[in-house]
Amino acid sequence: DVVMTQSPLSLPVTLGQPASISCRSSQSLVHSDGNSYLSWFQQRPGQSPRRLIYKVSNRDSGVPDRFSGSGSGTDFTLNISRVEAEDVGVYYCMQSTHWPPYTFGQGTKLEIK
Amino acid sequence: EAQLVESGGGLVNPGGSLRLSCTASGFPFSSHAMNWVRQAPGKGLEWVSSINTGSVYMYYADSVKGRFTISRDNAKNSLYLQMNSLRVDDTAVYFCARDWAGNAFALWGQGTMVTVSS
Repeated sequence: DVVMTQSPLSLPVTLGQPASISCRSSQSLVHSDGNSYLSWFQQRPGQSPRRLIYKVSNRDSGVPDRFSGSGSGTDFTLNISRVEAEDVGVYYCMQSTHWPPYTFGQGTKLEIK
Repeated sequence: EAQLVESGGGLVNPGGSLRLSCTASGFPFSSHAMNWVRQAPGKGLEWVSSINTGSVYMYYADSVKGRFTISRDNAKNSLYLQMNSLRVDDTAVYFCARDWAGNAFALWGQGTMVTVSS
């Protein structure tokens, strides 16, 4: 199974400042079709997860453009250009290149300083 | 608006059974693969099971293989998870989620809590 490793696990950020979360996979996420199937999910306190990014860098409908994804191979990053209060929660990366099983990172808890 | 609503959670003794349901609305259910994902209290997300549109292909996490069965009824816009031989470590919020492979988990329900305890 592909192991997904996120860092940091805790991320205190000042409002209006940028934030960055790293996700590394134990093997390349490049699929035989040439795409890399790496997604990012946000889970606000008390809510269900919501997908923000798919195929490394594609934003889902309704996701603010302050969220962006990048990376390739085994190294991926979620960036938030200017953190807002509503961004508080836990962020997960997940791979869907080598499934089953789908595998998630441990989660990164973003909080406001 | 596309929506998924889970039901059927509750308290069950170890070794017992429970059947979860997920009802879809606002999109053509029969055209989408479906999944179950769970989250133990205070823990991260764990994929449980997936089923394709025509119920031909079903996949399970090793942790539930042989104990859980995923199914769907496209006429009723519903997804199910039959859980047998439940263990304490199956305690979690169970979410249904739409789509798989390259478009995995594009839409989630609100979840239903399953507690396995004596």
